[in-house]
Amino acid sequence: SQQGEEDPQALSIQEGENATMNCSYKTSINNLQWYRQNSGRGLVHLILIRSNEREKHSGRLRVTLDTSKKSSSLLITASRAADTASYFCATGPNTGTASKLTFGTGTRL
Amino acid sequence: GAGVSQSPRYKVAKRGQDVALRCDPISGHVSLFWYQQALGQGPEFLTYFQNEAQLDKSGLPSDRFFAERPEGSVSTLKIQRTQQEDSAVYLCASSPGDWGVDTQYFGPGTRLTVL
Repeated sequence: SQQGEEDPQALSIQEGENATMNCSYKTSINNLQWYRQNSGRGLVHLILIRSNEREKHSGRLRVTLDTSKKSSSLLITASRAADTASYFCATGPNTGTASKLTFGTGTRL
Repeated sequence: GAGVSQSPRYKVAKRGQDVALRCDPISGHVSLFWYQQALGQGPEFLTYFQNEAQLDKSGLPSDRFFAERPEGSVSTLKIQRTQQEDSAVYLCASSPGDWGVDTQYFGPGTRLTVL
């Protein structure tokens, strides 16, 4: 079953605008990751944020994590046509070993 | 270097046929995962290998699904007596380590259509 949900399900913006998508999850986590999926291609890892971190940046990406609200957001600044894709958040459970990821339902940008 | 590769990229099977899906992980990666992605949904976990050991198969939907990784590198996901509900994209991912937080690197997937 899906761990959480992304919001919105679909987002349409103009090039140059910022895009924000949100993710909520249900259980305690070790880390949260964001992935991008273009049609015809596999999932591409974008950024990972650990449970003890609150914010992380990578290029035009900014991720925040609020473990008290069990939510995360992904901000893409100055969007480009090439950013068109589906974006998924995925959580890794709070265990020591390598662990399966539990994905949300995705946001189509 | 080369990423995760999967073959075939597309597979059409008649209901009741057996299929085998192959995953070549990144060389040296210890951990290997299989996920199933239905249309319009996020991927869902099927099974996990650490080297040749299958440590978690809790996501396999039925005993018609079987996965192996006999030499700790290439893995095969086999589906016996395919049903229409098995139609999905099957994704393979590998990661370098066996402990803690690791990025998972995904292959392009195999799109299975059962008629």
